[in-house]
Amino acid sequence: QQQVKQSPQSLIVQKGGIPIINCAYENTAFDYFPWYQQFPGKGPALLIAIRPDVSEKKEGRFTISFNKSAKQFSLHIMDSQPGDSATYFCAASITSGSRLTFGEGTQLTVNP
Amino acid sequence: DADVTQTPRNRITKTGKRIMLECSQTKGHDRMYWYRQDPGLGLRLIYYSFDVKDINKGEISDGYSVSRQAQAKFSLSLESAIPNQTALYFCASQNTGELFFGEGSRLTVL
Repeated sequence: QQQVKQSPQSLIVQKGGIPIINCAYENTAFDYFPWYQQFPGKGPALLIAIRPDVSEKKEGRFTISFNKSAKQFSLHIMDSQPGDSATYFCAASITSGSRLTFGEGTQLTVNP
Repeated sequence: DADVTQTPRNRITKTGKRIMLECSQTKGHDRMYWYRQDPGLGLRLIYYSFDVKDINKGEISDGYSVSRQAQAKFSLSLESAIPNQTALYFCASQNTGELFFGEGSRLTVL
């Protein structure tokens, strides 16, 4: 089974800090890399996604950085807020419509 | 109303009992999935279906079965529940890329 490895498992930052969550993958056929955000008691929801033809994608305060040669990608949250406290999952798939392989998840806490 | 609805939301059962978790979606998507979430293990794929006549095993299908009754309905069964199947279960539907998840079914097997 192809894997996606995610770190850290948990992360605590102060309001305004820039938490960074990292993921690494093995399968070079992966070409779609989404991040999902999950609040307590809810299902995960798509936050942002990137394809390997670009090295960075920004949506508001959320940025994905992608390093194809290293087979790594990361999520940065600028000016983090307590409302960003959630579990974040990275994922990968061979095409955008195929099944996703998820990382282990990172529980982020942003303190006021 | 939620686009993906799971029932029940919470269930406590005993070892050896048969359990069915149901999922329905109103988005008209062909693809549906069942995932299991455990702390530190992320979301692991149990079964998936790309249309009504298609059923595929995921990473951890042992001890589970599924039924795709219609495009909108995809149910997960535990034929004889065991304690290590205690987990949070998610159903999801998919169109061209984004997965749309239900709110989860928390199952406890005593």
